[in-house]
Amino acid sequence: VQLVQSGAEVKNPGASVKVSCKASAYTFTAFHIHWVRQAPGQGLEWMGWINPNTGGTNSAQKFQDRVAMTRDTSITTAFMELTGLKSDDTAVYFCARLGHDNKLVGLDYWGQGTLVTVSS
Amino acid sequence: EIELTQSPGTLSLSLGERATLSCRASQTIRSSSLAWYQQKPGQAPRLLIFDASSGATGNPERFSGSGSGTDYTLTISRLEPEDFAVYYCHHYGNSHVFGGGTKVEMK
Repeated sequence: VQLVQSGAEVKNPGASVKVSCKASAYTFTAFHIHWVRQAPGQGLEWMGWINPNTGGTNSAQKFQDRVAMTRDTSITTAFMELTGLKSDDTAVYFCARLGHDNKLVGLDYWGQGTLVTVSS
Repeated sequence: EIELTQSPGTLSLSLGERATLSCRASQTIRSSSLAWYQQKPGQAPRLLIFDASSGATGNPERFSGSGSGTDYTLTISRLEPEDFAVYYCHHYGNSHVFGGGTKVEMK
């Protein structure tokens, strides 16, 4: 199982960023993909998830009006787009798979992270 | 909405010592849907424990989890050099939230 994310981005305040997460070696549509971010020197912050099978999403209230999570099943890739970027959106953004084996087992596989820097 | 509070913020211990990390939830967590992760600098988190006490595949047996309701514990029985890292608890299920983390550093 592997999740490979797109490369680092530098964006101006007010811009948008779209991060990709390419999944391989498992059935992409069988596991939710979650997005988690980590500001420099800070802890982990849960952003939301997408169900790759249905396209359904759920996000933390903090991000609901600024985040869009989508997927393209033909290329087994999930995307997270964050709009209206501010300096405090500077962070490493991770995608992760929510594992299950008759019951949920936590985020069992993670991407390598994508650094998004917001600066003028 | 559930909040998770981890303590202590930093734990200073020596090789071979036992580490006990706490994660307290603001409300009862149903179905013990609580996980623990280890994160080293520059790396993605790694799943250690799920379901409060089940060990994830490939992790050493010195990592164990316990707890129910609102109080959960991660124990590292004897610290090895590679165990010095930051540890996060995570409630998953209908809602998701991470604790603030505990840094285990060498004394």
